[in-house]
Amino acid sequence: GAVVSQHPSRVICKSGTSVKIECRSLDFQATTMFWYRQFPKQSLMLMATSNEGSKATYEQGVEKDKFLINHASLTLSTLTVTSAHPEDSSFYICSALAGIGTNEQFFGPGTRLTVL
Amino acid sequence: SQQGEEDPQALSIQEGENATMNCSYKTSINNLQWYRQNSGRGLVHLILIRSNEREKHSGRLRVTLDTSKKSSSLLITASRAADTASYFCATVLNYGQNFVFGPGTRLSVLP
Repeated sequence: GAVVSQHPSRVICKSGTSVKIECRSLDFQATTMFWYRQFPKQSLMLMATSNEGSKATYEQGVEKDKFLINHASLTLSTLTVTSAHPEDSSFYICSALAGIGTNEQFFGPGTRLTVL
Repeated sequence: SQQGEEDPQALSIQEGENATMNCSYKTSINNLQWYRQNSGRGLVHLILIRSNEREKHSGRLRVTLDTSKKSSSLLITASRAADTASYFCATVLNYGQNFVFGPGTRLSVLP
């Protein structure tokens, strides 16, 4: 299957700082990428849908000004957690859609964010 | 909003036994997929079953889908300690849309 990478895999930061997480499709172009968040012992919840060249669509309850998403190219989407607080500590996972009219989605390995 | 519900939420069995996990959903779907997640790790895709399919097999895995009841089951036969993980079902409503994940079942296989 296709490969999606995330960087960094783990990040620890101080409260109030901003953290950028990258999601890359390595061997295919992804017009759409999805960002999910997973709190400990819970399931994945969709945060936002990122489309190349347009603004992201956020799920209800997700602050767009706090979680900035940029999908500037067909292989890269970034999620920036601005002014991070301890409650933002979570596992962030992206997935990339392999093409229009397809259900093939490939998940990244996730990024563990810990805010002190 | 999450539409998948899984039961049991936690399951503990002995090695060699079969493990059955169930998933229910609320709306029509295009397909349903099962994933495994080891603690603190990413998702591992297990199996995809389309809405017009009723059963699929992959090695020790057997997945069923009952669209009339809006439910699916995952059966792991002859379980191994290495099967210990959380298992999630995820539904896709239409092509190109996001997954909606169930709450997951935490499976513990005791040696």
